[in-house]
Amino acid sequence: DGGITQSPKYLFRKEGQNVTLSCEQNLNHDAMYWYRQDPGQGLRLIYYSQIVNDFQKGDIAEGYSVSREKKESFPLTVTSAQKNPTAFYLCASSIRGGRTTTGELFFGEGSRLTVL
Amino acid sequence: ILNVEQSPQSLHVQEGDSTNFTCSFPSSNFYALHWYRWETAKSPEALFVMTLNGDEKKKGRISATLNTKEGYSYLYIKGSQPEDSATYLCASNSGYSTLTFGKGTMLLVSP
Repeated sequence: DGGITQSPKYLFRKEGQNVTLSCEQNLNHDAMYWYRQDPGQGLRLIYYSQIVNDFQKGDIAEGYSVSREKKESFPLTVTSAQKNPTAFYLCASSIRGGRTTTGELFFGEGSRLTVL
Repeated sequence: ILNVEQSPQSLHVQEGDSTNFTCSFPSSNFYALHWYRWETAKSPEALFVMTLNGDEKKKGRISATLNTKEGYSYLYIKGSQPEDSATYLCASNSGYSTLTFGKGTMLLVSP
């Protein structure tokens, strides 16, 4: 089945460690996104990529890094510089991206990161 | 960053009740308004993407309207069922901003 696969589903990390969340899609979508959800807040955009080898910062990019070496993959690294990394992270894709996109997003099931 | 507001924050209705939620967004330079349903332990799924003022879309018992001039959208659920229990998210984008999500409306439908 086509879709977005995120792994791991749950992840625990010690303070000071970097951690990488995986996101893979087989929908042949150009654009991919990373969102963060915190209690009582809407989904906030961390990074997005409209095309392979290109990505842009979202609203809360500090302390995160991404890469887009392949169309189907968009891993997110939560670095030790991220001050409040404990959160639920959602990956999404759309056929095309950009500020003027009207295409719906397809989401993964999310990864919950807890920093101990 | 756009300011997208949803109300109410949560709603508890009985099976068979009809209900509606509101999403408000900046009307200037508007591009699209999205509605998603997010059931517990699942991925958010798109319900509607609306772009034109006056748009009305329907999927089964769920429908949505869009007013881009005044910056609001309504989501209606007719005859709510327990399986409609979920968080309903709206999101909007403009020429100045990528898709911005509201905080969602959590709906609980009791049998």
